[in-house]
Amino acid sequence: SQQGEEDPQALSIQEGENATMNCSYKTSINNLQWYRQNSGRGLVHLILIRSNEREKHSGRLRVTLDTSKKSSSLLITASRAADTASYFCATDPMNRDDKIIFGKGTRLHILP
Amino acid sequence: DAGITQSPRHKVTETGTPVTLRCHQTENHRYMYWYRQDPGHGLRLIHYSYGVKDTDKGEVSDGYSVSRSKTEDFLLTLESATSSQTSVYFCAISGVGTGTSGRDTQYFGPGTRLTVL
Repeated sequence: SQQGEEDPQALSIQEGENATMNCSYKTSINNLQWYRQNSGRGLVHLILIRSNEREKHSGRLRVTLDTSKKSSSLLITASRAADTASYFCATDPMNRDDKIIFGKGTRLHILP
Repeated sequence: DAGITQSPRHKVTETGTPVTLRCHQTENHRYMYWYRQDPGHGLRLIHYSYGVKDTDKGEVSDGYSVSRSKTEDFLLTLESATSSQTSVYFCAISGVGTGTSGRDTQYFGPGTRLTVL
């Protein structure tokens, strides 16, 4: 299967709750990135975490990276209606002959 | 959208006709990419460019060609469109300047919705 698989495929939570989505990958990476896509729009970069980093924060976003398990998680705290979107992880393989691969995304729906 | 435009934004065409999509950037980024996005497949790389006249194939390049004659413009051509090429096409850029690897943050255009009848 392909590099960068998000889990779950879809997630619905109440506004104010925290949302967690995960990304698993197969090969060694230089960095992993998370993107958001609102309906009908292009992807927007959220955060990049390098292979030598374990955790990174940006506002209400917290990203963790576990290279031993080849997985990453994106936590959105205190969710808002505006967080409704699809979230994608993208992995930059250490093998320079391989291209950056995007996962299929997690669709997040924030319920009012 | 980080100074990236795509044209046209919507296009309906018939099977067998040639189609060219244009991506234009004002950010002087070295790398430019064309992706297609389809339900159940996520985002798949078609072709990318690492400089003027320097291009390479991505994961799903069959049936597509590209050209980059200027830093600002990256064209995607479907020589003879097929219904399987109905999709949403995104252009992206990365790697400002010449000293970067380009394998970092990508900035995406708004997308082109292409329907091939």
